[in-house]
Amino acid sequence: EAQVTQNPRYLITVTGKKLTVTCSQNMNHEYMSWYRQDPGLGLRQIYYSMNVEVTDKGDVPEGYKVSRKEKRNFPLILESPSPNQTSLYFCASSPGTGGGVTQYFGPGTRLLVL
Amino acid sequence: GENVEQHPSTLSVQEGDSAVIKCTYSDSASNYFPWYKQELGKRPQLIIDIRSNVGEKKDQRIAVTLNKTAKHFSLHITETQPEDSAVYFCAASLYNFNKFYFGSGTKLNVKP
Repeated sequence: EAQVTQNPRYLITVTGKKLTVTCSQNMNHEYMSWYRQDPGLGLRQIYYSMNVEVTDKGDVPEGYKVSRKEKRNFPLILESPSPNQTSLYFCASSPGTGGGVTQYFGPGTRLLVL
Repeated sequence: GENVEQHPSTLSVQEGDSAVIKCTYSDSASNYFPWYKQELGKRPQLIIDIRSNVGEKKDQRIAVTLNKTAKHFSLHITETQPEDSAVYFCAASLYNFNKFYFGSGTKLNVKP
């Protein structure tokens, strides 16, 4: 089944404790993105990647890191989480150049930073 | 950067009526405008999209119109049904469909 998966789905952590949220897609998509969703603010793009080893900042990259070492995986790293990073996070992928632009979202990861 | 504004924030209609959600964008370089539906507790899902070289697109009960001169685009849902109740997001994309800016969302409630 074609899908985008994220792990963990729920996470409670404390300020300053490094964490990684994994994202994986099995559709051979070139493009991948991370978003955060907060009430009243819609979805805001954190980082995006056009292919392996090619990443760029979205609208709200501060406090986050990403890497794209393999085409299928795009982990989101919070080196020192703070309470203002409490949010619902979505990973998304799309085919990319010549393959279409439809974004497919993962199920979301709800993060609480205490 | 791009700024996308979406109105209204909430919309309540009677089943069978039409619903219209409007978005404006600021950057004339934006060239792709998708609409997403997000049901409670679920992920956003694309329902329709339009590119800047097209003025209107329709898919059954859903249509999107784009006015590039005025920099606004709208989602039209006809013959609404209770299962259309959800939060709808518009978005605008720059730079080869990688960078996206979303509106703040419209919560649509269709009353039976």
